[in-house]
Amino acid sequence: DTGVSQDPRHKITKRGQNVTFRCDPISEHNRLYWYRQTLGQGPEFLTYFQNEAQLEKSRLLSDRFSAERPKGSFSTLEIQRTEQGDSAMYLCASGDYEQYFGPGTRLTVT
Amino acid sequence: DQQVKQNSPSLSVQEGRISILNCDYTNSMFDYFLWYKKYPAEGPTFLISISSIKDKNEDGRFTVFLNKSAKHLSLHIVPSQPGDSAVYFCAASGGEGLTFGTGTRLQVTL
Repeated sequence: DTGVSQDPRHKITKRGQNVTFRCDPISEHNRLYWYRQTLGQGPEFLTYFQNEAQLEKSRLLSDRFSAERPKGSFSTLEIQRTEQGDSAMYLCASGDYEQYFGPGTRLTVT
Repeated sequence: DQQVKQNSPSLSVQEGRISILNCDYTNSMFDYFLWYKKYPAEGPTFLISISSIKDKNEDGRFTVFLNKSAKHLSLHIVPSQPGDSAVYFCAASGGEGLTFGTGTRLQVTL
């Protein structure tokens, strides 16, 4: 078990571009979560999957955000038409009551 | 609405002494509580958790106490070590995504 992995670790993009992040959860975990963390704040819940089904979306997840988990394994989070306010650390976690986090993807929108 | 609050942004403790980190919550639907430790540029690391049916859980140097009537939990670290210096987040679960506090930065001094 190698833990939760995320790719890329860092992404710099220009405003208006689309970006996609990948998360590979711990293999035996059915639930996968996405969070966003900005400076000085705790992680904020975005959405989660039970296997391939997306079961809840936070109101933080605007129409420009979409997440998928095909086949119930890895997940992707896409942000379309990025804005400077999207700059944050995007965290993925897997587990049930206890969630185990990946190292995060640091997004900088210039 | 801040449903999980960590009112102390920072705490400094001498090596070998006890560190006590506090957390308050407002949502009585929360039924599981967790503590995470976070280093810069890394994802949160799970430390210890407690179900709402318990009032104490211990794991090595870490003990979490839950006072449901006061909607308060605390993390005790004994003895504190320099490697414990990090930001600690309290989190609460109502069954889906976690709700995090804003964190307390712990500095363990020699």
